[in-house]
Amino acid sequence: ETGVTQSPTHLIKTRGQQVTLRCSSQSGHNTVSWYQQALGQGPQFIFQYYREEENGRGNFPPRFSGLQFPNYSSELNVNALELDDSALYLCASSRQGEQYFGPGTRLLVL
Amino acid sequence: DAKTTQPPSMDCAEGRAANLPCNHSTISGNEYVYWYRQIHSQGPQYIIHGLKNNETNEMASLIITEDRKSSTLILPHATLRDTAVYYCIVRVAPNFGNEKLTFGTGTRLTIIP
Repeated sequence: ETGVTQSPTHLIKTRGQQVTLRCSSQSGHNTVSWYQQALGQGPQFIFQYYREEENGRGNFPPRFSGLQFPNYSSELNVNALELDDSALYLCASSRQGEQYFGPGTRLLVL
Repeated sequence: DAKTTQPPSMDCAEGRAANLPCNHSTISGNEYVYWYRQIHSQGPQYIIHGLKNNETNEMASLIITEDRKSSTLILPHATLRDTAVYYCIVRVAPNFGNEKLTFGTGTRLTIIP
């Protein structure tokens, strides 16, 4: 148990819909990072938030956006869902050290 | 971040030491070697990291060659619960929110009973 929680655990959406995924970080961690993991691949960095500001972004289009709240919890929003967005979405919290990952949200886009 | 190369899969007998190699020939002087593992359907789990000295913790040992171009993660007495995908990652020291990890495809380690 890392103390990082994510919700929901599973989600099914259809193409074109929008989705919001949530992450509660470990106590005291001020940085949250989001990753997308397609089947059989390693996690790919989407972006990270540090003290409520986006601080680094991977090669993902603007329809992937996020928020970090004053308590350091975070949301990942994906608009105009595409079939290729089907993946495991992982969040990780940290504070100038090792990243602690949540269990992930498995998203299926039909 | 420097690129890493790992074998796609390895087997190890239960109770034996599992030695997982990683090549990182383009590593820079300020980059650390980190190891994470991912057990099926779970989030990655931090194992260990090092800069140039060998490191040991309750989970594993990390041996980094003197030229720092390769390293080996050692699980001293592998158990069935160590079956997972192991990722070797090279990165600069995390600071002020710059904590991105670049994962490759890792090594799928299977512990054989």
